[in-house]
Amino acid sequence: GAVVSQHPSRVICKSGTSVKIECRSLDFQATTMFWYRQFPKQSLMLMATSNEGSKATYEQGVEKDKFLINHASLTLSTLTVTSAHPEDSSFYICSARGGQENEKLFFGSGTQLSVL
Amino acid sequence: GQNIDQPTEMTATEGAIVQINCTYQTSGFNGLFWYQQHAGEAPTFLSYNVLDGLEEKGRFSSFLSRSKGYSYLLLKELQMKDSASYLCAALDSNYQLIWGAGTKLIIKP
Repeated sequence: GAVVSQHPSRVICKSGTSVKIECRSLDFQATTMFWYRQFPKQSLMLMATSNEGSKATYEQGVEKDKFLINHASLTLSTLTVTSAHPEDSSFYICSARGGQENEKLFFGSGTQLSVL
Repeated sequence: GQNIDQPTEMTATEGAIVQINCTYQTSGFNGLFWYQQHAGEAPTFLSYNVLDGLEEKGRFSSFLSRSKGYSYLLLKELQMKDSASYLCAALDSNYQLIWGAGTKLIIKP
């Protein structure tokens, strides 16, 4: 099946620094990538949708200047948390759709971000 | 508005069968997903239904009734490793996933 690679799996950073999370589709071209955030004991929340070569579409309440998403190629999307603060600490997960199984979403392994 | 309902928590016994129900209301409909998620991990794909009926895949089966806005996930021959959260998600007309809050399944020996 299709594979999505996400890294880093865990990152600890100081408040005010920026963190970049990468999401790669390894064996298919991801026409669409989604970025989700999960708070403890809550369901996944969609942050933004990105289509290759175009600007990401952010969900209501998500600051696009804080969560920068780049989907420059059909196999790579990045999420940069700029000037991270402790309240940004969360589990971030990417997913990708494309290839022959276009309706299925394939998920990365997630990134646990802890901001001190 | 768009809404997904599923029970918060269920308990079942090892070796038994459990059915997790999900009802949905979405703007348009392009299919329903079931995902399994263990604590601290990303959800993994279990099933996708877009037509009415039952889809069987090993110990797991998923059912969909589009007219009723209803789906269920059936798990047979439960194993301890099946203890996890099970997420129901519907794909709306914009191909966005509308997620349920998840059902925490507890398996007892």
